[in-house]
Amino acid sequence: GAGVSQSPSNKVTEKGKDVELRCDPISGHTALYWYRQSLGQGLEFLIYFQGNSAPDKSGLPSDRFSAERTGGSVSTLTIQRTQQEDSAVYLCASSLARAREAFFGQGTRLTVV
Amino acid sequence: QRVTQPEKLLSVFKGAPVELKCNYSYSGSPELFWYVQYSRQRLQLLLRHISRESIKGFTADLNKGETSFHLKKPFAQEEDSAMYYCALSVESGGGADGLTFGKGTHLIIQP
Repeated sequence: GAGVSQSPSNKVTEKGKDVELRCDPISGHTALYWYRQSLGQGLEFLIYFQGNSAPDKSGLPSDRFSAERTGGSVSTLTIQRTQQEDSAVYLCASSLARAREAFFGQGTRLTVV
Repeated sequence: QRVTQPEKLLSVFKGAPVELKCNYSYSGSPELFWYVQYSRQRLQLLLRHISRESIKGFTADLNKGETSFHLKKPFAQEEDSAMYYCALSVESGGGADGLTFGKGTHLIIQP
């Protein structure tokens, strides 16, 4: 594809519902990152996938958050039992390797009401 | 590892010099980047320290003694108005291994 694609662009959900956010990285990129962008909080690291290695989940804020990456390509970030504080823009990025340029998607704006 | 950008907001006049501060904490050899997000656009790489290049008139020098990677431009232009994020990449073998971002600095260039 032309770049990193995220869907949906916007998601409004009721408190307590589960949501799934999708990320299609650039073909061939082995590294994939998820970040959360909140006003005044900057970019918060969530999870990092690198090839076939075990993902670095150290940034996930609670056990309600999980992510998987199937076949080394598409990734899904799942938030269970959403809370209002989960409202933010969720950004996905991919890169050829850890220290190479990361390309970002347009983000998914999640609003929990 | 941690990245600190002390200024949430920086406002300068067009033509004035700009310096966006970034300090990091890491004892090894880091790789540092500046990313920029213009209004309604995606976050994108501006420059990285290993390239030692000037992009859009911006430069950044890694100072290991001061653990800083400040972004500078001698003469600001209105199109430089954006959010700027400093980022650190380290490899800690079993620990966090990804891009760590600062909280960002909102740069406003006044006409």
